[in-house]
Amino acid sequence: EVQLVQSGAEVKKPGESLKISCKGSGYSFTSYWIGWVRQMPGKGLEWMGIIYPGDSDTRYSPSFQGQVTISADKSISTAYLQWSSLKASDTAMYYCAKQETTEDAFDIWGQGTMVTVSS
Amino acid sequence: SYVLTQPPSVSVAPGQTARITCGGNNIGSKSVHWYQQKPGQAPVLVVYDDSDRPSGIPERFSGSNSGNTATLTISRVEAGDEADYYCQVWDSSSDHPVFGTGTKVTVL
Repeated sequence: EVQLVQSGAEVKKPGESLKISCKGSGYSFTSYWIGWVRQMPGKGLEWMGIIYPGDSDTRYSPSFQGQVTISADKSISTAYLQWSSLKASDTAMYYCAKQETTEDAFDIWGQGTMVTVSS
Repeated sequence: SYVLTQPPSVSVAPGQTARITCGGNNIGSKSVHWYQQKPGQAPVLVVYDDSDRPSGIPERFSGSNSGNTATLTISRVEAGDEADYYCQVWDSSSDHPVFGTGTKVTVL
């Protein structure tokens, strides 16, 4: 079964760093793109960026460029989304999702990681 | 950047047909994908490339795309279809995906 399993919910304080993960299984992890999508409470879906684990080609939405870092460790079939200094406005659900090419649909989604940033 | 506009809400009685629109400039020239998101759950792909269904998605879900409007049609609506629905395209000018504003489908 093809699946993406994300790390658990996080509660952090403003200014703290964070790295959340997305582990792929049941398919060739290095042959498909992994994208990250933000959903703020009660809001819609926002694309943040994508990575191709095969060669670490990474692209960001202009809205998130410089705000987060996307990476992957193909040896353990895991993609990451990280922040160096969280803000309260980063409070959201974060999803990873798989694509065959950057123009294709996101066919498999992770279960989501809820990040809460509060003092 | 490219904008996709959806109606905020659609209400439909059980057994009837729900039509959810997604408007965008010349969207007919793009491939449109549709996702269903039930409360507290991750999105699920229900239609891709305008009108294809992933395995496991009922035939009641269908899609079309022409001109400036793409449409997701849910036939014989069931209570379990109550969810938020999002359209998505690839915007070649900005080289990234764009999601629609989302439509909440309520089954009366």
